[in-house]
Amino acid sequence: GAGVSQSPSNKVTEKGKDVELRCDPISGHTALYWYRQRLGQGLEFLIYFQGNSAPDKSGLPSDRFSAERTGESVSTLTIQRTQQEDSAVYLCASSPNRVTGELFFGEGSRLTVL
Amino acid sequence: SQQGEEDPQALSIQEGENATMNCSYKTSINNLQWYRQNSGRGLVHLILIRSNEREKHSGRLRVTLDTSKKSSSLLITASRAADTASYFCATEYGANSKLTFGKGITLSVRP
Repeated sequence: GAGVSQSPSNKVTEKGKDVELRCDPISGHTALYWYRQRLGQGLEFLIYFQGNSAPDKSGLPSDRFSAERTGESVSTLTIQRTQQEDSAVYLCASSPNRVTGELFFGEGSRLTVL
Repeated sequence: SQQGEEDPQALSIQEGENATMNCSYKTSINNLQWYRQNSGRGLVHLILIRSNEREKHSGRLRVTLDTSKKSSSLLITASRAADTASYFCATEYGANSKLTFGKGITLSVRP
């Protein structure tokens, strides 16, 4: 596609439910990043993929968070047993390769946990 | 943590004035990048400066990097109301090339 695509754009869920957020990176981009942005805050690094492997998972807040990437393309961020503090915008970005370069961001998935 | 910290947190200027935003970081970097975010949108890359570069220009943007002081500045000249947005610096470091972001600067340009 022309850019990074994320879905859903908005998700409202009840506390305790599981949610899946999807990211379609730019075709051919080998690096993929997930960030979390709470209201009015900066970006909090969650996880980074190079191809289908995740050399850096250090930002995942708890074991309720997991992510996978398949086919060096689509990535899914899963949050189990959601809590109110998980409410945020989840941003995905991709990059052509792991060597230094700019990130191309999607519009984000806004998650609200009631 | 290795994180750029922007200064000031908020900046309000008149259209036509220059806007200067600063970023400081803690350890050696591969490069430093500036991004812009309009309200409710994703981030858009503005400019990248490598650790061996001192200054870079792109249109009305000028970025400087002082590795001895571990700081960078983003200058927007002749600002426009459309420049109103949040601006983030991001530092890339280490073998895994992780990009970490600061908390951002809110720039308001008054018409």
